[in-house]
Amino acid sequence: EAQVTQNPRYLITVTGKKLTVTCSQNMNHEYMSWYRQDPGLGLRQIYYSMNVEVTDKGDVPEGYKVSRKEKRNFPLILESPSPNQTSLYFCASSLLTPDGQPQHFGDGTRLSIL
Amino acid sequence: SQQGEEDPQALSIQEGENATMNCSYKTSINNLQWYRQNSGRGLVHLILIRSNEREKHSGRLRVTLDTSKKSSSLLITASRAADTASYFCSTTEAAGNKLTFGGGTRVLVKP
Repeated sequence: EAQVTQNPRYLITVTGKKLTVTCSQNMNHEYMSWYRQDPGLGLRQIYYSMNVEVTDKGDVPEGYKVSRKEKRNFPLILESPSPNQTSLYFCASSLLTPDGQPQHFGDGTRLSIL
Repeated sequence: SQQGEEDPQALSIQEGENATMNCSYKTSINNLQWYRQNSGRGLVHLILIRSNEREKHSGRLRVTLDTSKKSSSLLITASRAADTASYFCSTTEAAGNKLTFGGGTRVLVKP
C-alpha cells in the first residue's frame, strides 16, 4: 500500500532533549517536506527536499534540521527542543516538485515539549 | 505570511445542504489544490485546478478558480455527515518549490 509513515505518532519530552521524528515513503517520490500545524495558523512548511542530498528551508525552519540521505527517508531533527515547538507535525511527499502534484501526507506526530 | 486564506473559518450546515468555502491567494500561481483533513489526521488531496481552468468537478465537489481575483471556491453538494472535516487550499508560487496552505475552513455537517 502506498503510504507515508511517521514515527512516533505521539511524544512527550522535555526541553533540550534531542529528538528525531522519522518519515518514510514507499512511492519513490522525489519531493518530501515537513509541516507543523498550530491552531489558528494552519500548516506551515518547515523544510522540504527536492531529492537526495537536496534540502531547503520552508517558512519556519528555525530550531529544526533535516537530512535526505536516501530517497525514501526524510527525518526531522530537533537538536534542542523548546516548548514553542509543541505542535502537530506532518510529513508529506509527491512524485515531483509540488507545483501541480498532489501531496501524500502521513498521519501526523503530536509532540509535546515540557 | 500565508499564500492562501480560507473563508469562512467555520461553517455549520445540515446534512443534504451545500457547503461553499473560498480561498484567496496573493501571487501568481500555476495551479491550486484543495485538501481535506479529518480531525487530527493527515491531509487528503481532493482536487487540483490549473490556472488555465475556470471550473472543475469531482463527484460532489466543484471547484472554481478566478485568477483575476486570485481566488478559488470549493462547493460540496448534498453534504453528508462524513464530510465533517477541515478543508484547506494550497498553492505554490509559479515555478516555486514551496507549498503554502491556508488556515482552513472547519465544516460541520449535522445529521
